[in-house]
Amino acid sequence: DIVMTQSPDFLAVSLGERATINCKSSQSVLYNSNNKNYLAWYQQKPGQPPKLLIYWASTRESGVPDRFSGSGSGTDFTLTISSLQAEDVAVYYCQQYYGNLMYTFGQGTKLEIK
Amino acid sequence: EVQLLESGGGLIQPGGSLRLSCAISGFTFRSDAIIWVRQAPGKGLEWVSFIADSGGVTSYADSVKGRFIISKDNSRNTVYMQMNSLRDEDTALYYCTRGRNMAIDIWGQGTMVTVSS
Repeated sequence: DIVMTQSPDFLAVSLGERATINCKSSQSVLYNSNNKNYLAWYQQKPGQPPKLLIYWASTRESGVPDRFSGSGSGTDFTLTISSLQAEDVAVYYCQQYYGNLMYTFGQGTKLEIK
Repeated sequence: EVQLLESGGGLIQPGGSLRLSCAISGFTFRSDAIIWVRQAPGKGLEWVSFIADSGGVTSYADSVKGRFIISKDNSRNTVYMQMNSLRDEDTALYYCTRGRNMAIDIWGQGTMVTVSS
């Protein structure tokens, strides 16, 4: 099974600064048939279900602010928040799908204001 | 409005059974995969089960394989998850979600399952 490992587990960033969260997959999630990486990012605030931010590694979901961006391919991926806002305090998860009808989540990264 | 509404959670003794329901509205039920994801108190997200749009293809996490069964009733726009032989470690908030583009774009509010004697 594919294992997703996020780093760091905890991150404190000042308002207006850049936040970067990494996600590493134990196997490539690049689907050769269509050249898409089946890697998604979610934001979860306390008491709420997760919210989809990014899919296909870099495609922003409709309505997600453009300060959120995703990058990477194969096994290494990054979620970047270009200018941290107070409302971005949350836990962030990456998730992979690789054609075997199974999904895997990373362990989560808790983002706080410094 | 797209909505997924879970029900059926509760307190159950170890070894018992529960059936969760997910009532779906606001989108074409037969065109999307439905996925159950759970979250133990204070913990991260864990994928549990998947059912394809056709209903003919299902999959399960190793942790629930052989104990949980996912199904769908197109006439009722409802997905079910029958949970048998429940264990303490199955205690979690269970989310019904929609799968699209190999991601999960819509989440319900969840239903809590507590396994305890």
